[in-house]
Amino acid sequence: DAKTTQPTSMDCAEGRAANLPCNHSTISGNEYVYWYRQIHSQGPQYIIHGLKNNETNEMASLIITEDRKSSTLILPHATLRDTAVYYCIVRAYIQGAQKLVFGQGTRLTINP
Amino acid sequence: SQTIHQWPATLVQPVGSPLSLECTVEGTSNPNLYWYRQAAGRGLQLLFYSVGIGQISSEVPQNLSASRPQDRQFILSSKKLLLSDSGFYLCAWSNQVNSPLHFGNGTRLTVT
Repeated sequence: DAKTTQPTSMDCAEGRAANLPCNHSTISGNEYVYWYRQIHSQGPQYIIHGLKNNETNEMASLIITEDRKSSTLILPHATLRDTAVYYCIVRAYIQGAQKLVFGQGTRLTINP
Repeated sequence: SQTIHQWPATLVQPVGSPLSLECTVEGTSNPNLYWYRQAAGRGLQLLFYSVGIGQISSEVPQNLSASRPQDRQFILSSKKLLLSDSGFYLCAWSNQVNSPLHFGNGTRLTVT
């Protein structure tokens, strides 16, 4: 499985864009990048995923570099409820099931 | 729409007692099912996954076992709990085809 590297923690002001970086320099050509977040004492919540093109949904945007060795999750207008641990994961398959290996993630704090 | 249910939300059990945590999924058929554990202050660790009824794969050796008696039911068990079994247990599901994992709200287990 490709490993990911994320900053341990980040701060962002409420209303500003939060940009969370992730390095995955050993990613394989058919591996997707997934982003999840975990609000305290809750199960992880899926945010977005992508292969090589940039992606956008109602929650966030995902920017993947052309060489696919890194990506950035963008929360365009952060709110206090976006305070959470954000996980960048490169997915692998095992016998038809998905194996998501969660690292330590980035603890994002949105400040008022 | 699909929903996932886990219970109980919290559980306190003495060392040596048995354990049974249940997870059910609604609104989909033949899902992949997963059990994750999160120890205090640590990332999520995949414990078991299942691609079908009666098919269980274990990711790490441990004091726990899993079973899938029905298509949308996944059970995590132990005959005798250890202190080290304390943690936050999360069930998740995904479709057989390429799709994100969706997590339940978890069970916080404290072994005393």
